[in-house]
Amino acid sequence: GAGVSQTPSNKVTEKGKYVELRCDPISGHTALYWYRQSLGQGPEFLIYFQGTGAADDSGLPNDRFFAVRPEGSVSTLKIQRTERGDSAVYLCASSPSGTGKIGELFFGEGSRLTVL
Amino acid sequence: DAKTTQPNSMESNEEEPVHLPCNHSTISGTDYIHWYRQLPSQGPEYVIHGLTSNVNNRMASLAIAEDRKSSTLILHRATLRDAAVYYCILRDWASGTYKYIFGTGTRLKVLA
Repeated sequence: GAGVSQTPSNKVTEKGKYVELRCDPISGHTALYWYRQSLGQGPEFLIYFQGTGAADDSGLPNDRFFAVRPEGSVSTLKIQRTERGDSAVYLCASSPSGTGKIGELFFGEGSRLTVL
Repeated sequence: DAKTTQPNSMESNEEEPVHLPCNHSTISGTDYIHWYRQLPSQGPEYVIHGLTSNVNNRMASLAIAEDRKSSTLILHRATLRDAAVYYCILRDWASGTYKYIFGTGTRLKVLA
């Protein structure tokens, strides 16, 4: 199973709760991206990791959102005090390298978050 | 980031060629043109990319205008499996910005 794996595939939570979404990238890929996609919209960039460090977190909407990648592989997106507006599909993508001219993205199937 | 403009939707008959246009009048010299597509209930997948010259691969062809202000993704024989949202994205590899900015794309409907 060489693809990007995301868990859980579906998560239903109540407003105000804390949520963690996990991404297992393709082995050896140094770049990892998180996107959020609302119904009828294109994916919205959240954060990009190169190795263990967040190279660009300009898309995180506010300080309730945080992401980590402590060992340069698996990443976790953390959402505190969830709100109904956070309901979306959260997509993870990895790439052999974020730098350079190519950097093809390989996406997972996403985690669908529903906040009641 | 340079912007792209795509039609919201297009239709094609099965087994006929499809030309999906993308306008990017503010493209810079170091912007690569990337195309991704998203099948229903899946994450986006890479289709093709190019800089200046036309490109071909097993999935599609990319025709880039001489002034680079527009490009066209060509599916040579559309199948029902090609029904998806197609995104045209510019990525400036020289700027140090590595994120891909997706627009709303073109929803392609393939008629049997």
